[in-house]
Amino acid sequence: GAGVSQSPSNKVTEKGKDVELRCDPISGHTALYWYRQSLGQGLEFLIYFQGNSAPDKSGLPSDRFSAERTGGSVSTLTIQRTQQEDSAVYLCASSPRGSDTQYFGPGTRLTVL
Amino acid sequence: GENVEQHPSTLSVQEGDSAVIKCTYSDSASNYFPWYKQELGKRPQLIIDIRSNVGEKKDQRIAVTLNKTAKHFSLHITETQPEDSAVYFCAASGGGSYIPTFGRGTSLIVHP
Repeated sequence: GAGVSQSPSNKVTEKGKDVELRCDPISGHTALYWYRQSLGQGLEFLIYFQGNSAPDKSGLPSDRFSAERTGGSVSTLTIQRTQQEDSAVYLCASSPRGSDTQYFGPGTRLTVL
Repeated sequence: GENVEQHPSTLSVQEGDSAVIKCTYSDSASNYFPWYKQELGKRPQLIIDIRSNVGEKKDQRIAVTLNKTAKHFSLHITETQPEDSAVYFCAASGGGSYIPTFGRGTSLIVHP
């Protein structure tokens, strides 16, 4: 079946602009995660959605970052007033209910000029 | 919260040699330990995982061992091949949380 997809694959923006990154999880997966991966670094947790529960936003680095998940499926990560330090690859992952195993999307490479 | 340390950051081996990557964790409540492989420019993919009720798990040329007492776990790759070259990440989760903490990654280079 189809895996996790993300769009766009690449995004170049100017400092101060807002960006929206999209994630389509595997159909039926109830859990959805967003991570940030800076060059040569590990995966930094941003936010976690599980079904209809309130999301765990404990990893969001500032109030410029927000995410929503509509209808328990597609998720959008929004970064307002982008800064150069926001440049990174943003990865989305999903998991079926009751499973720890995460399936990652291909990521969106964000470059802030 | 959980803290995961991964070593080494870079590992260079000759084809056919074995490779070992080690991770330590801090939260004794963690009970799930996956390993992900990320090839250059591609998404991380799960290659093997282990739960705290098991000490060792093997899948062909890869194996993972877990020492709960010492709070460390290791990835072992035998008979390495050039296509094993990638960045490998360990992670730990559990204690009621499905949010994993990742190590910083190990860049494995296998020379033909």
